[in-house]
Amino acid sequence: DGGITQSPKYLFRKEGQNVTLSCEQNLNHDAMYWYRQDPGQGLRLIYYSQIVNDFQKGDIAEGYSVSREKKESFPLTVTSAQKNPTAFYLCASSTGPPWAQFFGPGTRLTVL
Amino acid sequence: GQNIDQPTEMTATEGAIVQINCTYQTSGFNGLFWYQQHAGEAPTFLSYNVLDGLEEKGRFSSFLSRSKGYSYLLLKELQMKDSASYLCAVIDAAGGSQGNLIFGKGTKLSVKP
Repeated sequence: DGGITQSPKYLFRKEGQNVTLSCEQNLNHDAMYWYRQDPGQGLRLIYYSQIVNDFQKGDIAEGYSVSREKKESFPLTVTSAQKNPTAFYLCASSTGPPWAQFFGPGTRLTVL
Repeated sequence: GQNIDQPTEMTATEGAIVQINCTYQTSGFNGLFWYQQHAGEAPTFLSYNVLDGLEEKGRFSSFLSRSKGYSYLLLKELQMKDSASYLCAVIDAAGGSQGNLIFGKGTKLSVKP
């Protein structure tokens, strides 16, 4: 079945540690995105990539890094520089037009 | 500037009809999406409008007026499982960032028996 997978579903880390969140898609979509969602807040764009080996900062890229070495994969690293990393992280992919984004199940990161 | 407004919360009764409104201001417009998000889960795609008018899909319909910067999502024959947040999102056509969506904060719908 085609879809987007994210792992793990829940992740706990100690403050000061870097952590990498996985996102894989087999939809053959060119574009991939990372969002962060906090309680009562909308989705905020962290990074996006429209093509392999290229990515762009979103609205809240500070403290995060990404890579796009393969079309299917777009991992997100939450670094120790991110001041408030505890959040629900969502990965999405799209192709277009019309550029509808389809989301993975999300990773809930808690930094202790 | 870019801005999307939708009500924070709404309550409706099982079996009834509810309309969730969304107004937007963007520097460019290439389409509007509605997503459903149940608590603790990822958003799922509901509808897409790029031309003015009503798009119907089963119990859900979405309307767009580009001249007014306005859309609504209409849910008929409400069921308890429709309790969720509904996100309005507009394609950001500015700056060459094709495909990027600007999301509203969502409307939390509670369906009561």
